[in-house]
Amino acid sequence: EDQVTQSPEALRLQEGESSSLNCSYTVSGLRGLFWYRQDPGKGPEFLFTLYSAGEEKEKERLKATLTKKESFLHITAPKPEDSATYLCAVQSGGGADGLTFGKGTHLIIQP
Amino acid sequence: EADIYQTPRYLVIGTGKKITLECSQTMGHDKMYWYQQDPGMELHLIHYSYGVNSTEKGDLSSESTVSRIRTEHFPLTLESARPSHTSQYLCASSEFGRGEQETQYFGPGTRLLVL
Repeated sequence: EDQVTQSPEALRLQEGESSSLNCSYTVSGLRGLFWYRQDPGKGPEFLFTLYSAGEEKEKERLKATLTKKESFLHITAPKPEDSATYLCAVQSGGGADGLTFGKGTHLIIQP
Repeated sequence: EADIYQTPRYLVIGTGKKITLECSQTMGHDKMYWYQQDPGMELHLIHYSYGVNSTEKGDLSSESTVSRIRTEHFPLTLESARPSHTSQYLCASSEFGRGEQETQYFGPGTRLLVL
């Protein structure tokens, strides 16, 4: 059974204070690891897909990395508008094409 | 930018009522999905479809049913709503293929409250 664990559950940072969010996973044959951003009352917004260990992707202040057991979402010099819940999900090689999600990290950036 | 729409956005309804949650996408995606999300919890897959006339149950058992008569439309129905059905329902779609094509794009969700 695929599992995704995200830590910390919640994180409060000052504006400009860089940090990292962790996503640990177990999956039978990784087809892809996905990062989404979710604002309150809205659907998840796609950020990144990673496929193999060592891969990295960047978008503005966000950078996602992948190892064989975990992924990190690095946030550099965050701004208040980066406040959201960040979700990690995996897609495995067997079974349905649905994603297995973690509970997310609730990030608050204080001005 | 994903073009996937859900209606209604919010629904408050009494126990025993039949409801249909609508989901439409204009991207021509063959694959569509329904996820359920309780507050502060993970999204769980409840239904998916690979194309017209294809529907399958997901990992989380659900009393809802789905249909796929048109590529762009994937409605979810509850024949008799109960308070335990109170949740947020999220629709998503993706292309067939591998790699970036498999990215799932989500709609805004429907918040359902059953009294």
